[in-house]
Amino acid sequence: LAKTTQPISMDSYEGQEVNITCSHNNIATNDYITWYQQFPSQGPRFIIQGYKTKVTNEVASLFIPADRKSSTLSLPRVSLSDTAVYYCLGRTYNTDKLIFGTGTRLQVFP
Amino acid sequence: EADIYQTPRYLVIGTGKKITLECSQTMGHDKMYWYQQDPGMELHLIHYSYGVNSTEKGDLSSESTVSRIRTEHFPLTLESARPSHTSQYLCASSEPLEQGAGELFFGEGSRLTVL
Repeated sequence: LAKTTQPISMDSYEGQEVNITCSHNNIATNDYITWYQQFPSQGPRFIIQGYKTKVTNEVASLFIPADRKSSTLSLPRVSLSDTAVYYCLGRTYNTDKLIFGTGTRLQVFP
Repeated sequence: EADIYQTPRYLVIGTGKKITLECSQTMGHDKMYWYQQDPGMELHLIHYSYGVNSTEKGDLSSESTVSRIRTEHFPLTLESARPSHTSQYLCASSEPLEQGAGELFFGEGSRLTVL
């Protein structure tokens, strides 16, 4: 299971694109990378998941380079409501022990 | 919307009391988890289960215990609560990765305060 490292915090302004990078140097062949968003006093919520290259949904894009040692969550045109903590998480088909890292605290300013 | 429910949402009790935090899900998920999180801090996995009659300890040592007698139910018990147990407890369940994104669904949490 990949151990992940993320920046502790990031600041942005409304309307900007935000890219949050996660390092997972020891990612295994079968690991998927999943990103979660957490607001204060709530449980995390799934955003996006990928294995390699690029995945896009209605909320975000996820870029995973060919070596898969890192991944970048891209949030287009953030708003104040995107202020939250973002976690990347590695998991495989047989992973039962899902461990979150420290996450990245994103603060969006007006 | 996730069909996973936690009760109580808030609980204030005195030291030495026994408490059980309830967690139920109606999605038929085999895998369930308990996380502990202090305000502004990271999530710590304290227990998990990969199905009925299976329970495992997570990465953070906890004095709590769990049981999994039914697929939909994963209660957490503290036999004798202490102030150090004051925290938020989050329950989650997971769909199998091979059936989709393996998404974790979280309950709304139980905020415990031990006086």
